[in-house]
Amino acid sequence: AQTVTQSQPEMSVQEAETVTLSCTYDTSESNYYLFWYKQPPSRQMILVIRQEAYKQQNATENRFSVNFQKAAKSFSLKISDSQLGDTAMYFCAFMDYGNKLVFGAGTILRVKS
Amino acid sequence: EAQVTQNPRYLITVTGKKLTVTCSQNMNHEYMSWYRQDPGLGLRQIYYSMNVEVTDKGDVPEGYKVSRKEKRNFPLILESPSPNQTSLYFCASSLRFGGATSQYFGPGTRLLVL
Repeated sequence: AQTVTQSQPEMSVQEAETVTLSCTYDTSESNYYLFWYKQPPSRQMILVIRQEAYKQQNATENRFSVNFQKAAKSFSLKISDSQLGDTAMYFCAFMDYGNKLVFGAGTILRVKS
Repeated sequence: EAQVTQNPRYLITVTGKKLTVTCSQNMNHEYMSWYRQDPGLGLRQIYYSMNVEVTDKGDVPEGYKVSRKEKRNFPLILESPSPNQTSLYFCASSLRFGGATSQYFGPGTRLLVL
């Protein structure tokens, strides 16, 4: 069974600085998808970024980018120019072709002014 | 507006009193799923449905039932709730079964079972 590990329960960063959230996963599949979801205090699950495992190029979405290392089974999220609105719980998630999302335990990110 | 809706958003109930949490999507999605979120465990899949009348168990199905009589609706039923089902529940949908499509989440339902 696939597992997703987020080793940082909590992190903090100063406004305008850069922070990286770590995620590792375990799977025997060769084709799959990886996601980062943001959960603000409203509890809504918001898709931040997704990566297809067959693509070598790292995904980027504005201030959010990933470092996808397939051989190492690592999928970290970098947030540049952190803003107060980035304060949230961030979940890393794995999905194979069966559509089931397997989530990590989450990382609480606090952006400080 | 394309969305997934859940009702109720908050619910306090007592052990053994049957309840239903509704989920509806207006995007004509084939795939729908229920997750529960618990501290330190992330979200875990309860049940999923690939299309009308097709449902299957996820990782934590015990104590739950689902049905998919219409494409847009996927209710979660707790026939005899227990305190260990106190959790935050999310419904999600995606266009079709098969990993190429992203999942859209509802706003969540916070359930407290006394």
